[in-house]
Amino acid sequence: EAGVAQSPRYKIIEKRQSVAFWCNPISGHATLYWYQQILGQGPKLLIQFQNNGVVDDSQLPKDRFSAERLKGVDSTLKIQPAKLEDSAVYLCASSLSPSRGAFFGQGTRLTVV
Amino acid sequence: GQQVMQIPQYQHVQEGEDFTTYCNSSTTLSNIQWYKQRPGGHPVFLIQLVKSGEVKKQKRLTFQFGEAKKNSSLHITATQTTDVGTYFCAATPNSGYALNFGKGTSLLVTP
Repeated sequence: EAGVAQSPRYKIIEKRQSVAFWCNPISGHATLYWYQQILGQGPKLLIQFQNNGVVDDSQLPKDRFSAERLKGVDSTLKIQPAKLEDSAVYLCASSLSPSRGAFFGQGTRLTVV
Repeated sequence: GQQVMQIPQYQHVQEGEDFTTYCNSSTTLSNIQWYKQRPGGHPVFLIQLVKSGEVKKQKRLTFQFGEAKKNSSLHITATQTTDVGTYFCAATPNSGYALNFGKGTSLLVTP
């Protein structure tokens, strides 16, 4: 069974530029998560989708971050404009439902210079 | 987001010693999950606990969920160098669906 796919693996951008990350969850998984993990810290939930609807985005900085999950499958996370403090690993995860374990992709390491 | 607190932040043990990490919440949890993240890797799902007072075992790992469903623990018996990594608890509250992670406990095992 294929796992959660994310791209790109690495990205370096200058501050004030924009960037987008893509995630393809495990087939059949209705729940999709985006997390931000700063070095040495736990994953911080940015947004959680159930199919193509948002169930939680309380920690998403909506002035610069946006995410969508069209057709309830793939998802994209965008940052515009990026700040230095956005440097982190962005992790996508999926699960069969919110009450089941989540499976993570390899993540995208973003460096903002 | 809902807070789950983990202690200790770091633990350094000699191989063969036991290790325990604790996870606490001020609110009742629907379920609690445990993950392991190796250095440079991504979190890997270990187990989920749902029932009050539940205890589950995976080889040398024992997971417990408190009677009030507000705390949990992970105990590793006779640690090995392969146990090195950061252990996270993650929880969903009774009143919602968001899966929020604790800050993790980093385990270092020296031979």
